[in-house]
Amino acid sequence: NAGVTQTPKFRVLKTGQSMTLLCAQDMNHEYMYWYRQDPGMGLRLIHYSVGEGTTAKGEVPDGYNVSRLKKQNFLLGLESAAPSQTSVYFCASSTNTEAFFGQGTRLTVV
Amino acid sequence: DQQVKQNSPSLSVQEGRISILNCDYTNSMFDYFLWYKKYPAEGPTFLISISSIKDKNEDGRFTVFLNKSAKHLSLHIVPSQPGDSAVYFCAARGGGYQKVTFGTGTKLQVIP
Repeated sequence: NAGVTQTPKFRVLKTGQSMTLLCAQDMNHEYMYWYRQDPGMGLRLIHYSVGEGTTAKGEVPDGYNVSRLKKQNFLLGLESAAPSQTSVYFCASSTNTEAFFGQGTRLTVV
Repeated sequence: DQQVKQNSPSLSVQEGRISILNCDYTNSMFDYFLWYKKYPAEGPTFLISISSIKDKNEDGRFTVFLNKSAKHLSLHIVPSQPGDSAVYFCAARGGGYQKVTFGTGTKLQVIP
């Protein structure tokens, strides 16, 4: 059971570079989410999707874009990385009652 | 505006004793509450949940209590084991799109 898979697991970017984080789930969930975790801040919602072709802003969407072209995939893009985007990123998918998380992507922007 | 608050960033408990993790929320529209457990270098995993129509839910060593009037929930772990050492996130669901709002987490250390 793969569940929720995030790639890559680690990445170091230079300021101004772009990258895309991929999230894939095999549970046929409609809802998918991208969070970032920072020390003392818990998990903060960046963007989410309630179904294929839909996206919406979460709590901290600035500097990020997302796409949900296929139901099983939710992509998080950073167009021009900034040091403030150094964080651990978690993708999740959910049913009505439970969310399942990927193992996280540790991103460092230097 | 932190709608889900975990005011204790850390907690240490002796093995075999009870661990009590607390969580407060401000949004009365939340209708479902969850606890997640997170080990280092792993994603959070679901632990236990409770609907707003209940005041208690039990699963083995884990019990969640909900006090709606106080907008407070707690997670009890009895007896605590060293393997329970992790960060515990309280979360609340509400609104039309199944969004889940997480607290900041409490790091539990169970001392052998």
